[in-house]
Amino acid sequence: EDQVTQSPEALRLQEGESSSLNCSYTVSGLRGLFWYRQDPGKGPEFLFTLYSAGEEKEKERLKATLTKKESFLHITAPKPEDSATYLCAVQDAGGTSYGKLTFGQGTILTVHP
Amino acid sequence: GAVVSQHPSWVICKSGTSVKIECRSLDFQATTMFWYRQFPKQSLMLMATSNEGSKATYEQGVEKDKFLINHASLTLSTLTVTSAHPEDSSFYICSARVGSRNEQYFGPGTRLTVT
Repeated sequence: EDQVTQSPEALRLQEGESSSLNCSYTVSGLRGLFWYRQDPGKGPEFLFTLYSAGEEKEKERLKATLTKKESFLHITAPKPEDSATYLCAVQDAGGTSYGKLTFGQGTILTVHP
Repeated sequence: GAVVSQHPSWVICKSGTSVKIECRSLDFQATTMFWYRQFPKQSLMLMATSNEGSKATYEQGVEKDKFLINHASLTLSTLTVTSAHPEDSSFYICSARVGSRNEQYFGPGTRLTVT
């Protein structure tokens, strides 16, 4: 069974204080690892897809990296508008081709001005 | 691109009634859509996978006769909660898969409250 564990559960940062969120995963074979941002009362917003160990992707102040066992979401010089819940999900290569995602519990990020 | 809409955004219904939620891909065709449920302070739990023109695949523990899914076109999937009860109150979110990029885009969600 696929498992995704995110840490920490909650993270409070001062504006400009860089940090990283962790996503550890267990799958029989990784087809893809996904990062989403979710604001309260809204659906998740797609951020990145990573496919193989060593891959990195960037978007504004966010950078996602991938190893064979975990992924990190690095946040550089965060701003209050980066406050949200960040979700990690994996897609098992051994599953059907329909693209089922297994989500972690998320990390609630709060950035104080 | 890759915009997904849901309707309604929120709904309140009485116990025992049925509620239909629509999920549309606005600027792409989605052969596969997914329905998730999210309880407060919890992550998304997949309920079912909806494929255009075929029966939905339900996750273990999800009652197929209670949560009816129809994916009649490449841009529309519907979830009907039949004989709703207060324990069905939740945030229901759909997603649509962009096959060529293996990415899933989510709708804004529907807040269901059963009184």
